[in-house]
This record gives sequence, C-alpha cells and structure tokens, in this order.
Amino acid sequence: EIVMTQSPATLSVSPGERATLSCRASQSINSNLAWYQQKPGQAPSLLIYDASTRATDVPARFSGSGSGTEFTLTINSLQSEDFAVYFCHQYNNWPPYTFGQGTKLEIK
Amino acid sequence: QVQLQESGPGLVKSSETLSLTCTVSRGSISSSYYFWGWIRQPPGKGLEWIGSIYYNGGAYYNASLKSRLSISVDTSKNQFSLKLRSATAADTALYYCARQKQKTAAPGFYYFDYWGRGRLVTVSS
Repeated sequence: EIVMTQSPATLSVSPGERATLSCRASQSINSNLAWYQQKPGQAPSLLIYDASTRATDVPARFSGSGSGTEFTLTINSLQSEDFAVYFCHQYNNWPPYTFGQGTKLEIK
Repeated sequence: QVQLQESGPGLVKSSETLSLTCTVSRGSISSSYYFWGWIRQPPGKGLEWIGSIYYNGGAYYNASLKSRLSISVDTSKNQFSLKLRSATAADTALYYCARQKQKTAAPGFYYFDYWGRGRLVTVSS
C-alpha cells in the first residue's frame, strides 16, 4: 500500500499571499496524483489531476507540480474562499487508492 | 454535470449490516470510462477508500474491509450500493459515493471527479 504524507498539517497564511502545500508518496506514483479541496460540511471537490492539470472551473491561482514521490499544490493570491482542508490522492497503484491526511489552510 | 446522492439509514446497530445506495443522475452509470466508488471519513479524520465497482459488476475492495464488504450495481436504476456486515463503532463515518474518471488515453488509472454530499452513518451499541 502506498502511504501518502502531507505537510504541514496546518498552514497559516494571510489573504493575498501564497500557500504551498506538500504531498509525498512512499514510492513513485508517476504523475497519478490528484488534489481535492474540502470546505466544512461539504464533500471534497477535485482541484487538480494528473499532478498538474486543473479541473473544470478551477481558478488559475491553483497550480500543481511534481512527479514520482514529491508533489506540491500552490495557491497564489489567497482568497477568503480558499481557506479549507486540502487532500492529495494517489491513483497509480491500486487497490487500495490512498489519500493523504490533509492540510488545513487557515487564515493568519 | 453528473450528480450523486447517497441514501440509507443514518443509524445502525452494532453487529448489523450497514447499507447505503448511491443514485446517479444527469449521467449514465453504464459508461465504459468510469468506475463508481465509496469513500468514508470518520469524524475529524482523513479519507479512506472502501471499494469501487464497474458498470458490469466488476469490483475492487479495500483489503481491510473485504471480508465484510459487498458492492453491487443496478444499471436499470442507475444506482450502486454498499453493504458492510458486522458493523462496529469503528465504522461510524461520513460515507461518500463518487465517480471515478479514467485518465485520458490511460486505462487503469482513475481519479475521483464528482462526489456526493455524503451520508453520516453512526453505529451504536
């Protein structure tokens, strides 16, 4: 089973600034990684797939990068609606599909 | 865009069977480009994949749940369902159903693109 490790667990950033979230896989997953945003009381929403492709209607301030075992989600010019929990998810080696434990992005 | 809706009891007694159904609308469950999955999230915790099924009934399960788990599909109703036997308090969670989209030109790789709102299931003693 591939273990996905996200860091940090909590990230405090001011609106208008940049946030950088990390996700590490326990072995190579090529570029088969997705990022999801989850707001309180809502289902996860797909942001990025194939490590760097934005999903439909996702703003350009969200970008993903990386391959192999190291991945990054960058959010530029943070807006109030961006403060949420972010999960990474690998779909390279399954079953099982696995998720990171999440990074909570909070307002500084 | 496709919509998914979970339904089923919100309270299950310990040792009984947890049963949920996901109804898919604005899209066909019979498309060859998608799997249909179940994911759960215990209160305050992360996401755990439960299992996934293809429209022809082919299914994959999380090994940690396999001995208690059954996932089925009903294409005539555009639904798929989950049954988890011998439920315990550890199965208390928010249960999501989701569509898995095949990576472009790459069979075998599927990411979750649309999710239902989730159904909270509490297992009580």
